[in-house]
Amino acid sequence: SQQGEEDPQALSIQEGENATMNCSYKTSINNLQWYRQNSGRGLVHLILIRSNEREKHSGRLRVTLDTSKKSSSLLITASRAADTASYFCATYPFGNEKLTFGTGTRLTIIP
Amino acid sequence: DAGVTQSPTHLIKTRGQHVTLRCSPISGHKSVSWYQQVLGQGPQFIFQYYEKEERGRGNFPDRFSARQFPNYSSELNVNALLLGDSALYLCASSWGPGNEQFFGPGTRLTVL
Repeated sequence: SQQGEEDPQALSIQEGENATMNCSYKTSINNLQWYRQNSGRGLVHLILIRSNEREKHSGRLRVTLDTSKKSSSLLITASRAADTASYFCATYPFGNEKLTFGTGTRLTIIP
Repeated sequence: DAGVTQSPTHLIKTRGQHVTLRCSPISGHKSVSWYQQVLGQGPQFIFQYYEKEERGRGNFPDRFSARQFPNYSSELNVNALLLGDSALYLCASSWGPGNEQFFGPGTRLTVL
Protein backbone atom coordinates (compact mmCIF):
# COMPACT_ATOMS: atom_id res chain seq x y z
CA SER A 1 0.00 0.00 0.00
CA GLN A 2 1.08 3.57 -0.60
CA GLN A 3 1.72 5.61 2.53
CA GLY A 4 1.95 8.96 0.82
CA GLU A 5 -0.12 10.81 -1.69
CA GLU A 6 1.47 13.43 -3.90
CA ASP A 7 -0.47 16.37 -5.20
CA PRO A 8 -0.85 17.23 -7.99
CA GLN A 9 -0.57 14.00 -9.95
CA ALA A 10 0.75 15.96 -12.93
CA LEU A 11 2.15 19.47 -13.34
CA SER A 12 3.24 21.37 -16.44
CA ILE A 13 5.02 24.71 -16.16
CA GLN A 14 7.16 27.00 -18.29
CA GLU A 15 10.91 26.84 -17.97
CA GLY A 16 12.11 29.32 -15.38
CA GLU A 17 8.97 29.10 -13.24
CA ASN A 18 8.86 27.50 -9.81
CA ALA A 19 7.28 24.09 -9.25
CA THR A 20 5.66 23.02 -6.01
CA MET A 21 4.65 19.48 -5.16
CA ASN A 22 2.91 18.33 -2.01
CA CYS A 23 2.94 15.06 -0.12
CA SER A 24 0.59 13.85 2.59
CA TYR A 25 1.17 10.76 4.71
CA LYS A 26 -0.66 8.79 7.37
CA THR A 27 1.58 7.63 10.21
CA SER A 28 4.28 9.12 12.42
CA ILE A 29 7.62 9.20 10.70
CA ASN A 30 11.32 9.11 11.46
CA ASN A 31 12.15 10.95 8.25
CA LEU A 32 10.73 11.85 4.85
CA GLN A 33 12.68 11.65 1.61
CA TRP A 34 12.15 12.99 -1.90
CA TYR A 35 13.28 11.13 -5.02
CA ARG A 36 13.30 11.86 -8.75
CA GLN A 37 12.79 9.27 -11.47
CA ASN A 38 13.51 9.79 -15.15
CA SER A 39 11.90 7.63 -17.83
CA GLY A 40 10.83 4.82 -15.49
CA ARG A 41 14.33 3.83 -14.51
CA GLY A 42 16.26 4.08 -11.25
CA LEU A 43 15.39 6.72 -8.70
CA VAL A 44 17.72 9.47 -7.55
CA HIS A 45 17.68 10.69 -3.97
CA LEU A 46 17.11 14.44 -3.69
CA ILE A 47 16.77 15.32 -0.03
CA LEU A 48 16.04 13.79 3.39
CA ILE A 49 14.28 15.74 6.13
CA ARG A 50 14.04 14.40 9.68
CA SER A 51 10.92 14.58 11.80
CA ASN A 52 12.47 17.28 14.04
CA GLU A 53 13.31 19.52 11.07
CA ARG A 54 10.89 21.95 9.47
CA GLU A 55 12.76 23.10 6.37
CA LYS A 56 15.74 22.02 4.34
CA HIS A 57 17.48 23.39 1.25
CA SER A 58 19.67 21.83 -1.39
CA GLY A 59 20.59 23.96 -4.38
CA ARG A 60 17.35 24.89 -6.15
CA LEU A 61 15.34 22.55 -3.92
CA ARG A 62 13.46 23.54 -0.79
CA VAL A 63 11.59 20.99 1.31
CA THR A 64 9.26 21.71 4.19
CA LEU A 65 7.79 19.29 6.70
CA ASP A 66 4.74 19.82 8.90
CA THR A 67 4.40 16.80 11.17
CA SER A 68 1.22 18.16 12.77
CA LYS A 69 -0.48 18.08 9.37
CA LYS A 70 1.46 15.03 8.19
CA SER A 71 2.48 16.83 5.04
CA SER A 72 5.56 17.93 3.13
CA SER A 73 6.23 20.09 0.11
CA LEU A 74 9.01 20.17 -2.47
CA LEU A 75 9.74 23.46 -4.22
CA ILE A 76 11.97 23.55 -7.30
CA THR A 77 12.95 27.09 -8.16
CA ALA A 78 13.93 28.40 -11.60
CA SER A 79 12.92 25.16 -13.31
CA ARG A 80 14.89 23.74 -16.23
CA ALA A 81 13.95 21.29 -18.99
CA ALA A 82 16.16 18.70 -17.27
CA ASP A 83 13.85 18.81 -14.24
CA THR A 84 11.21 16.98 -16.27
CA ALA A 85 10.68 13.74 -14.33
CA SER A 86 8.45 12.01 -11.80
CA TYR A 87 8.93 13.06 -8.20
CA PHE A 88 8.13 10.80 -5.25
CA CYS A 89 8.00 11.36 -1.54
CA ALA A 90 8.88 8.41 0.67
CA THR A 91 8.35 8.06 4.39
CA TYR A 92 10.35 6.08 6.90
CA PRO A 93 7.97 5.37 9.80
CA PHE A 94 8.94 4.92 13.43
CA GLY A 95 9.26 1.27 14.44
CA ASN A 96 8.76 0.03 10.91
CA GLU A 97 11.71 -0.40 8.63
CA LYS A 98 9.85 0.02 5.36
CA LEU A 99 10.53 3.02 3.18
CA THR A 100 7.09 3.66 1.72
CA PHE A 101 6.65 5.67 -1.46
CA GLY A 102 3.81 7.86 -2.56
CA THR A 103 2.08 7.84 -5.90
CA GLY A 104 4.27 10.50 -7.49
CA THR A 105 3.93 13.80 -9.34
CA ARG A 106 4.74 13.88 -13.03
CA LEU A 107 6.47 17.23 -13.71
CA THR A 108 6.86 18.53 -17.25
CA ILE A 109 8.93 21.63 -17.94
CA ILE A 110 7.98 23.35 -21.18
CA PRO A 111 10.98 25.03 -22.89
CA ASP B 1 33.07 4.36 -7.37
CA ALA B 2 30.53 2.18 -9.12
CA GLY B 3 26.89 2.70 -8.28
CA VAL B 4 24.35 0.02 -7.54
CA THR B 5 24.31 -2.59 -10.27
CA GLN B 6 21.51 -4.96 -11.17
CA SER B 7 21.31 -7.91 -13.50
CA PRO B 8 19.80 -8.73 -15.81
CA THR B 9 18.48 -5.51 -17.36
CA HIS B 10 15.51 -7.17 -19.02
CA LEU B 11 13.93 -10.56 -18.56
CA ILE B 12 11.04 -12.36 -20.22
CA LYS B 13 9.49 -15.36 -18.48
CA THR B 14 6.30 -17.38 -18.79
CA ARG B 15 3.72 -18.00 -16.11
CA GLY B 16 4.74 -20.60 -13.55
CA GLN B 17 8.46 -20.14 -14.03
CA HIS B 18 10.80 -18.75 -11.41
CA VAL B 19 13.24 -15.88 -11.66
CA THR B 20 16.35 -14.70 -9.80
CA LEU B 21 17.35 -11.05 -9.86
CA ARG B 22 20.72 -9.89 -8.62
CA CYS B 23 21.98 -6.71 -7.04
CA SER B 24 25.41 -5.41 -6.04
CA PRO B 25 25.41 -2.51 -3.60
CA ILE B 26 27.72 0.46 -3.49
CA SER B 27 30.99 -0.47 -1.80
CA GLY B 28 30.67 0.03 1.96
CA HIS B 29 26.88 -0.11 2.03
CA LYS B 30 25.54 -2.86 4.25
CA SER B 31 21.82 -2.52 3.57
CA VAL B 32 19.98 -3.62 0.44
CA SER B 33 16.29 -3.11 -0.28
CA TRP B 34 14.08 -4.42 -3.07
CA TYR B 35 11.10 -2.68 -4.62
CA GLN B 36 8.52 -3.51 -7.26
CA GLN B 37 7.28 -0.71 -9.47
CA VAL B 38 4.30 -1.16 -11.73
CA LEU B 39 3.87 1.34 -14.55
CA GLY B 40 2.34 4.59 -13.33
CA GLN B 41 2.77 3.85 -9.63
CA GLY B 42 5.36 4.46 -6.96
CA PRO B 43 7.80 1.73 -5.90
CA GLN B 44 6.37 -0.84 -3.50
CA PHE B 45 8.66 -2.12 -0.74
CA ILE B 46 9.38 -5.87 -0.90
CA PHE B 47 12.34 -6.57 1.40
CA GLN B 48 15.13 -4.90 3.29
CA TYR B 49 18.31 -6.68 4.41
CA TYR B 50 20.92 -5.26 6.72
CA GLU B 51 24.07 -7.11 7.72
CA LYS B 52 22.67 -10.22 6.03
CA GLU B 53 19.53 -10.28 8.13
CA GLU B 54 16.00 -9.50 6.97
CA ARG B 55 14.93 -6.23 8.56
CA GLY B 56 11.64 -5.65 6.80
CA ARG B 57 9.15 -7.36 4.56
CA GLY B 58 6.39 -5.77 2.52
CA ASN B 59 2.95 -7.12 1.67
CA PHE B 60 4.06 -9.65 -0.90
CA PRO B 61 3.22 -13.37 -1.05
CA ASP B 62 5.64 -16.09 0.03
CA ARG B 63 6.50 -16.64 -3.62
CA PHE B 64 8.86 -13.72 -3.13
CA SER B 65 12.05 -14.39 -1.20
CA ALA B 66 15.45 -12.78 -0.91
CA ARG B 67 18.80 -13.13 0.71
CA GLN B 68 21.94 -11.12 1.29
CA PHE B 69 25.39 -12.61 0.92
CA PRO B 70 28.55 -12.03 3.01
CA ASN B 71 29.77 -9.49 0.42
CA TYR B 72 26.41 -7.64 0.88
CA SER B 73 25.17 -8.42 -2.62
CA SER B 74 21.62 -9.68 -2.78
CA GLU B 75 19.26 -11.88 -4.75
CA LEU B 76 15.51 -11.60 -5.14
CA ASN B 77 13.72 -14.81 -6.08
CA VAL B 78 10.17 -15.05 -7.35
CA ASN B 79 8.55 -18.46 -7.80
CA ALA B 80 5.45 -19.50 -9.74
CA LEU B 81 5.38 -16.29 -11.74
CA LEU B 82 2.05 -14.64 -12.46
CA LEU B 83 1.18 -12.11 -15.16
CA GLY B 84 0.81 -9.53 -12.40
CA ASP B 85 4.47 -9.90 -11.46
CA SER B 86 5.41 -8.00 -14.61
CA ALA B 87 7.08 -4.85 -13.35
CA LEU B 88 10.32 -2.96 -12.86
CA TYR B 89 12.25 -4.42 -9.93
CA LEU B 90 14.48 -1.93 -8.21
CA CYS B 91 17.32 -2.57 -5.82
CA ALA B 92 18.67 0.13 -3.53
CA SER B 93 21.59 0.21 -1.14
CA SER B 94 22.30 2.41 1.86
CA TRP B 95 24.58 2.66 4.87
CA GLY B 96 21.75 1.34 7.02
CA PRO B 97 18.00 1.37 7.57
CA GLY B 98 16.40 4.80 7.34
CA ASN B 99 19.22 6.43 5.43
CA GLU B 100 19.06 7.81 1.90
CA GLN B 101 18.91 5.06 -0.64
CA PHE B 102 20.89 4.73 -3.84
CA PHE B 103 18.99 2.96 -6.56
CA GLY B 104 20.16 0.74 -9.36
CA PRO B 105 18.73 1.03 -12.89
CA GLY B 106 16.29 -1.81 -12.29
CA THR B 107 15.38 -5.10 -13.94
CA ARG B 108 12.37 -5.03 -16.26
CA LEU B 109 10.52 -8.34 -15.85
CA THR B 110 7.85 -9.34 -18.33
CA VAL B 111 5.73 -12.40 -17.61
CA LEU B 112 3.85 -13.85 -20.59
